[in-house]
Amino acid sequence: QSALTQPASVSGSPGQSITISCTGTNSDIGNYNLVSWYQQHPGKAPKLMIYEVTKRPSGISSRFSGSKSGNTASLTISGLQAEDEADYYCCSCAGSSTLLFGGGTRLTVL
Amino acid sequence: QVQLQESGPGLVKPSETLSLTCSVSGDSISTYYWSWIRQTPGKGLEWIGYIYYSGSTRYNPSLKSRVTMSVDTSKNQFSLKLRSVTAADTAVYYCARIERDVYNYPRDLDYWGQGTLVTVSS
Repeated sequence: QSALTQPASVSGSPGQSITISCTGTNSDIGNYNLVSWYQQHPGKAPKLMIYEVTKRPSGISSRFSGSKSGNTASLTISGLQAEDEADYYCCSCAGSSTLLFGGGTRLTVL
Repeated sequence: QVQLQESGPGLVKPSETLSLTCSVSGDSISTYYWSWIRQTPGKGLEWIGYIYYSGSTRYNPSLKSRVTMSVDTSKNQFSLKLRSVTAADTAVYYCARIERDVYNYPRDLDYWGQGTLVTVSS
């Protein structure tokens, strides 16, 4: 199992939209609609932002959205705000009901 | 409100066994799958494994030979043991609840503990 591939960093200005990609294989992202995304601020535990590719837990802003095409999932944040600056991780169900994380993406709000 | 709290030694010697416990409140441990995840300093998240109250487990293949998870339903706790640790096992260890989909596949990690730093050093 190799980690899912994410860009190391992305940036955007307040009000803009950004997209973070997460690339896997036919054994994980391509085989299950079970991609989730987590936001992690420094020194804090990760927080669930998206599950089942596109769904938002209660209390998560509609500015956060998810999608998937083939072996690649994406997280889009629209109307960027300063508080969105954090690390973001994708996660997918993989073979034998295991879980696989991406390497993480540092989002900088300029 | 579901809450998870990790506990255990913050310092473990090389070649010894790392042991952590996660105490769950606000929910019965018999309802969900429960997971351990770690994060090495300055690095990303690594899934270690999960356990069901029945004792059924799934482990990360890269750690499987050194990991054992167990559950104590009477205390609403689950535990992690990682054998033969090295400096590479130094990390913040998180416990989390797994939500499953309709087919019982692991869907997401919806509640997390605050994490506990374990340092492997002599």
